[in-house]
Amino acid sequence: DIQMTQSPSTLSASVGDRVTITCRASQSISRWLAWYQHKPGKAPRLLIYKASTLESGVPSRFSGSGSGTEFTLTISSLQPDDFATYYCQQYNTYRTFGQGTKVEIK
Amino acid sequence: EVQLVESGGALVQPGRSLRLSCTTSGFSFGDYFMSWVRQAPGKGLEWVGFIRTRADGGTTEYAASVKGRFTISRDDSKTIVYLQMNSPRTEDTAVYYCTRDGYCPSAGCSNYNYNGADVWGQGTTVTVSS
Repeated sequence: DIQMTQSPSTLSASVGDRVTITCRASQSISRWLAWYQHKPGKAPRLLIYKASTLESGVPSRFSGSGSGTEFTLTISSLQPDDFATYYCQQYNTYRTFGQGTKVEIK
Repeated sequence: EVQLVESGGALVQPGRSLRLSCTTSGFSFGDYFMSWVRQAPGKGLEWVGFIRTRADGGTTEYAASVKGRFTISRDDSKTIVYLQMNSPRTEDTAVYYCTRDGYCPSAGCSNYNYNGADVWGQGTTVTVSS
């Protein structure tokens, strides 16, 4: 099974900060990676797929990069609505989520 | 409007079966894989499994944690996907979401057919406890 490891687990940041979350796969997954945002009590929201393709309607401050085993999600200027938990998901072989990164207010 | 609505969540005793349903509308259901994802209290998202389209064989895949106990099925005529939970354990306590998975209207689909879980239901809560 492919394991996904995100870092950090928690990130404290301020509005306007540039934020980067890393996701590592236990084996190469090419670019078969998606990113999601999840807020308590709501359904998760797809942000990015194929490592760097922005889902329709997602603000351009979100971007993704990487291939193989290492990937990043970057928020260029953190907004109040962005405080949430973020998950990566591989879909090279079935599906696996990372453990999540909580972005909290500093 | 594309919609997924889960139902069937309940308090269930360990070992007693439960079936969740996900009623869909607003898209060509038969052309999509469908997945179930769960979130246990205080934990992250966990993929449970998916079912392929009938055109791609209609087969299923599961996470190791539920394989052999849970079964996903679909009724394309009713546009509903089901999650049959047999022999549930306390660790299966979670909010269960159904999601729209890859677009696959014909046989031989690949990762190119998956653009992320772009539609989610609101979730249904399953509590396994005696």
